[in-house]
Amino acid sequence: QVVVTQEPSLTVSPGGTVTLTCASSSGAVTSGNHPSWFQQKPGQPPRAVVYSTNNRHSWTPARFSGSLLGGKAALTMSGVQPEDEADYYCLLYYGGGLLGVFGGGTRLTVL
Amino acid sequence: QVHLVESGGGVVQPGGSLRLSCAASGFMFGSHPVHWVRQAPGKGLEWVAVISYDGSEKYYTDSVKGRFTISRDNSKNNLFIQMNSLRFDDTAVYFCARGMVRGIGIDDWGRGTLVTVSS
Repeated sequence: QVVVTQEPSLTVSPGGTVTLTCASSSGAVTSGNHPSWFQQKPGQPPRAVVYSTNNRHSWTPARFSGSLLGGKAALTMSGVQPEDEADYYCLLYYGGGLLGVFGGGTRLTVL
Repeated sequence: QVHLVESGGGVVQPGGSLRLSCAASGFMFGSHPVHWVRQAPGKGLEWVAVISYDGSEKYYTDSVKGRFTISRDNSKNNLFIQMNSLRFDDTAVYFCARGMVRGIGIDDWGRGTLVTVSS
């Protein structure tokens, strides 16, 4: 089965910019993989952040943006806030759009 | 307001069975695909299965194929997953998650129910 890879951990200063990436073992990530991103804080269920590469949900702050970058999906956070400290997971879809595979997650520290 | 409430978790022996339910409210359940996602203690998210809005299409991750069966009852706004031949590595919090009607993605999550496979 496909393996989706994310950076295990990243650190960013408050107010800074950070980019998280999501790679697929099957090749370049494309819009056809409908990359999604989720934020999870300790003891809480995940919260959707971005879907279909670069679409924010109605509750997602504008400082979050999704893209494709160098064959990977990417989530960029600009003007990072302390409350953005969390685990972030990407989800890629295969086989026509319903079969999903999560990445291993990135622990983002705001320090 | 969207509500997804999972139930049915508990402790089960290896080789045993369990049926999880997810009660949905606050939206047109029968219009949305619905997913099961799990998270082992201290680990990352694992996508498990999805069922289309009308139940006609079902997909599973390789590790549960042939053991888990996803189903839904749109008349009662319920999602289910029947889990057979449970193994130690099936121990996890199981979340149900609402798929989007427009676009491909997940937009809402339940709080999860814990399944522990232990002898």
